[in-house]
Amino acid sequence: QSVLTQPPSVSAAPGQKVTISCSGSSSNIGNNHVSWYQQLPGTAPKLLIHDNYERPSGIPDRFSGSKSGTSATLGITGLQTGDEADYYCLTWDSSLSAVVFGGGTKLTVL
Amino acid sequence: EVQLLESGGDLVQPGGSLRLSCVASGFTFSNHAMTWVRQAPGKGLEWVSAITPGGGATYYADSVRGRFTISRDDSKNTLYLQTNSLRAEDTAIYYCAKDRGSVIVAVPDFDCWGQGTLVTVSS
Repeated sequence: QSVLTQPPSVSAAPGQKVTISCSGSSSNIGNNHVSWYQQLPGTAPKLLIHDNYERPSGIPDRFSGSKSGTSATLGITGLQTGDEADYYCLTWDSSLSAVVFGGGTKLTVL
Repeated sequence: EVQLLESGGDLVQPGGSLRLSCVASGFTFSNHAMTWVRQAPGKGLEWVSAITPGGGATYYADSVRGRFTISRDDSKNTLYLQTNSLRAEDTAIYYCAKDRGSVIVAVPDFDCWGQGTLVTVSS
């Protein structure tokens, strides 16, 4: 059971937009920074968003992050088949003194 | 180019031990916090442990605390994970990852990952 709650799966058509939610509490998302990771099949994870909404260099602006209260959201616009992957949120949990991942969301581009 | 190369994964019996290593290149290793993350077959990512520069602070998931020990040798640009009292549920690909900065608390951001090393715990 993950401390951070993500939907197990989301889907949308090519070219459309999708959002992936990550719900937590005041001990984690509410008071700490959130990052997002993309894991393509059979590969290592890749950082997409850090510090809630910042994109590392090389990450297209189709990917965006936001945070409000104890929830965070990853948005992906202009969906491509190459975006099919598992997406994870991550933050620090002050009560656990530990890094915590969301359970992951599988994105299918229909 | 930033690179992380893990090694040390193997098939081990329950109760056994392994030492995983991660050799870093392409960045100033001593300036960055480092972490281990694992992924059991068909499952999601699970954070395992983290360490700040110089080994000043270490952090562990409850699932491994007391059995695993994270360490680093900044002179060798190498991160380690000593795994003891291994259990079947420790079977996973173990990834090392670099933090963007030197601090883990409140701002964990892992911007470079290795390809992983497979640990299989089975009799």
